[in-house]
Amino acid sequence: GAVVSQHPSWVICKSGTSVKIECRSLDFQATTMFWYRQFPKQSLMLMATSNEGSKATYEQGVEKDKFLINHASLTLSTLTVTSAHPEDSSFYICSAADRRANEKLFFGSGTQLSVL
Amino acid sequence: TQLLEQSPQFLSIQEGENLTVYCNSSSVFSSLQWYRQEPGEGPVLLVTVVTGGEVKKLKRLTFQFGDARKDSSLHITAAQTGDTGLYLCADNTDKLIFGTGTRLQVFP
Repeated sequence: GAVVSQHPSWVICKSGTSVKIECRSLDFQATTMFWYRQFPKQSLMLMATSNEGSKATYEQGVEKDKFLINHASLTLSTLTVTSAHPEDSSFYICSAADRRANEKLFFGSGTQLSVL
Repeated sequence: TQLLEQSPQFLSIQEGENLTVYCNSSSVFSSLQWYRQEPGEGPVLLVTVVTGGEVKKLKRLTFQFGDARKDSSLHITAAQTGDTGLYLCADNTDKLIFGTGTRLQVFP
C-alpha cells in the first residue's frame, strides 16, 4: 500500500518553544491530509483538515494560531505547535488521502511530543 | 456532531477466548471502518463496511454492520496475544472520525 512518512517520531522540547512535525506521502500525491491528536489511552481526535494550496480547516476547539498547518505541496503537510506547553504533550498522527485508491487514507507512524 | 461510542472501553481476556466489541453512532454511517492500533504507531485499517446488514470476515475476525447502519460489531474468535491493541471504529464521510476505542489485552 501507499506509504506516509511522519517525522520526527518523537521530540522533547522546552515549554515555550515551537515544534514542527512533517507528514509526507512518499509514493502518491495527496491533496488532502488530516492531523490527529491522541492522548494516552484515548482515541484519535481530528484536529484539522489540511488542503493543498489553501487554508486548513480546523475542528471546533482547536486553536488555529496554536497549531499552524501548512500544505505547500501535494506530498507534504506540516504541523507546527507554537509556544508549546506541557498540556500539548501528546501523540500526533497524520493521514493522507490517496486519490488513486478512491481517497483511501494512509496513516503516518505518529510523533510523540513531550513538552517539559 | 456525530458521536461514536464504543463498548467496552477496556477488555482483558485470556488466549483462546471469544470477544465482541461494539460501536454505536448517534447518526447513520455513510461507511464504517474498523482499525487496530498498536502503541506508538498509526492505526491500520481492518475492514470497510457500507451496506446495512453486511457481514465481513477476516480470518478470526467477523465484522457486522447493523441493518439501520447506526451500529457495528467486531467479533474475535479464539483470541491470540497478537490481537492485543486499540480497536477503533470510524465513520468515513468527508473526514474520518474515530470512535472512543476499545483497548484489548489478551493474556497467554
